[in-house]
Amino acid sequence: DAGVIQSPRHEVTEMGQEVTLRCKPISGHDYLFWYRQTMMRGLELLIYFNNNVPIDDSGMPEDRFSAKMPNASFSTLKIQPSEPRDSAVYFCASSGGLIATNEKLFFGSGTQLSVL
Amino acid sequence: GESVGLHLPTLSVQEGDNSIINCAYSNSASDYFIWYKQESGKGPQFIIDIRSNMDKRQGQRVTVLLNKTVKHLSLQIAATQPGDSAVYFCAENRGEETSGSRLTFGEGTQLTVNP
Repeated sequence: DAGVIQSPRHEVTEMGQEVTLRCKPISGHDYLFWYRQTMMRGLELLIYFNNNVPIDDSGMPEDRFSAKMPNASFSTLKIQPSEPRDSAVYFCASSGGLIATNEKLFFGSGTQLSVL
Repeated sequence: GESVGLHLPTLSVQEGDNSIINCAYSNSASDYFIWYKQESGKGPQFIIDIRSNMDKRQGQRVTVLLNKTVKHLSLQIAATQPGDSAVYFCAENRGEETSGSRLTFGEGTQLTVNP
């Protein structure tokens, strides 16, 4: 398996523009997670899905952020409108079951987002 | 609020030495802990995990120790190699149904291995 695949690897955009980040989880994994990493706040869970259904979105910063999972092999994280404080590395991760049951979490390589 | 944090932001060791990376947690309800390694430009990678009913767990060149009395977790790397240079994170999970897949990550420690 190729692992969790994210695109793009780098995104540079201007404030106010819409940004869409994409993720393909590992085949067969039914949990998908979106994390954000910054120097100030570290790794933060934004939202996670189970069987394409959002389970916990309490980490989504505000209404400008939205995430969808239309099918088991694809998810998007959208920011509209983007702001400079959204600049961060966004990671997608997937697992085959509950982390609490020792299922491992596999991360993608991340998308480096810069909002100017 | 409750959080997971690391004592040292950076650690520099000589190749061949043993490394110890520490982590403090404050959520007494946490019952599952994981160490991740993150190399530059990559996502975090699972290293080793431990449940709260254990004090110690060993892997290949790595050992995790858990002291529930003082809410402390450590990662020991034996015979540290240049390829071990990375940022290391501890993460905790409470294991309850509603947070069964929520991980709280610590701040991270940058390990640098000098040849």
